[in-house]
Amino acid sequence: NAGVTQTPKFQVLKTGQSMTLQCAQDMNHNSMYWYRQDPGMGLRLIYYSASEGTTDKGEVPNGYNVSRLNKREFSLRLESAAPSQTSVYFCASSEYMERIYEQYFGPGTRLTVT
Amino acid sequence: QKEVEQDPGPLSVPEGAIVSLNCTYSNSAFQYFMWYRQYSRKGPELLMYTYSSGNKEDGRFTAQVDKSSKYISLFIRDSQPSDSATYLCAMSPLSGSARQLTFGSGTQLTVLP
Repeated sequence: NAGVTQTPKFQVLKTGQSMTLQCAQDMNHNSMYWYRQDPGMGLRLIYYSASEGTTDKGEVPNGYNVSRLNKREFSLRLESAAPSQTSVYFCASSEYMERIYEQYFGPGTRLTVT
Repeated sequence: QKEVEQDPGPLSVPEGAIVSLNCTYSNSAFQYFMWYRQYSRKGPELLMYTYSSGNKEDGRFTAQVDKSSKYISLFIRDSQPSDSATYLCAMSPLSGSARQLTFGSGTQLTVLP
């Protein structure tokens, strides 16, 4: 099992450009999450999907959109990138929201916006 | 004020030392408490979770929760160079619409051979 995979691993964007971060899990989990990690800030939740067909905002959703494409895949889109979105982005999954305490993380995408 | 405060470190110890990592929190609704380990340029991985006050042991790792003081700790016995990583505490309410993990900012640990 690959667990949680993310593409791309690295990306450099210019201000105003758009891009989609891809995430897939092969653990048959129902719930998926997108976080950003900034120095001194810990991990902050951007959006989550409790189950296929549902998405909800987390702590820092502004400037992002998500799509739960199917049970396996959950993508994060930046429509118009800003330097404040320079961060490391992690996707995670858990079996159910009730098991939110047992999340499995992907390797991350390092995004730089210039 | 952040809901979860974590000693920032960095912390450097000799191999074999006992390591104590700590977090405090302010939200009484937090009922689940977790510790994640994150190696450099990798994603976090779950070490332990608990939802009761007291101690939970797993090999060389012991998680301690004191809900009355809103204080949690992770102890690492006989620390090894392979334990060098950033350790993140995380917390969550038991149920409800506010069920999200709130993370501490992490403590960077280096175990010197």
